[in-house]
Amino acid sequence: EAQVTQNPRYLITVTGKKLTVTCSQNMNHEYMSWYRQDPGLGLRQIYYSMNVEVTDKGDVPEGYKVSRKEKRNFPLILESPSPNQTSLYFCASSPSDRGPYNEQFFGPGTRLTVL
Amino acid sequence: AQSVTQLGSHVSVSEGALVLLRCNYSSSVPPYLFWYVQYPNQGLQLLLKYTSAATLVKGINGFEAEFKKSETSFHLTKPSAHMSDAAEYFCAVSHQAGTALIFGKGTTLSVSS
Repeated sequence: EAQVTQNPRYLITVTGKKLTVTCSQNMNHEYMSWYRQDPGLGLRQIYYSMNVEVTDKGDVPEGYKVSRKEKRNFPLILESPSPNQTSLYFCASSPSDRGPYNEQFFGPGTRLTVL
Repeated sequence: AQSVTQLGSHVSVSEGALVLLRCNYSSSVPPYLFWYVQYPNQGLQLLLKYTSAATLVKGINGFEAEFKKSETSFHLTKPSAHMSDAAEYFCAVSHQAGTALIFGKGTTLSVSS
């Protein structure tokens, strides 16, 4: 089944404890992206990747890192999480390097709480 | 810069009534427009998209949207609401050379029996 998977789905952590949220897609998509969703704010892009080893900042990149060493994986790293990073996170992928022009396929989301 | 405004954070309709969710966009280049739906505890699913072909776009589950350049609008409609349509709906804009989808803040649709 074609899908985007994220792990973990739920995570409660404490301020300053490094964490990684994994994202993997099995559709051989070139474009991948991370969004955060907050009530009343919609989805905002954190980072995106047009292809392997090519990443760039979105609208809200502060406090996050990403890497794209393989086409299928695009992990989101929080080196020192803070409470304002408590949010619902979505990974998405798209079949071409003009990602947003095409349909984006979303993962199920990761709900992160930072205490 | 591109932006999206969704009018009304909450819309309530009765089962069988018309659904109208409003979206206005701002874009200095020809836009590509999308409607996504998010059911509770799920990711986003594409309902329909406009990419400069026909201005009336039909999507899944009986939804459709009309691109009106003069009004910079892309409103989502469904003739007859069903209980299963209750969800959050997001309008989004991009363009051909864009690197991101720009989302609106979302509209929660409630359907009562």
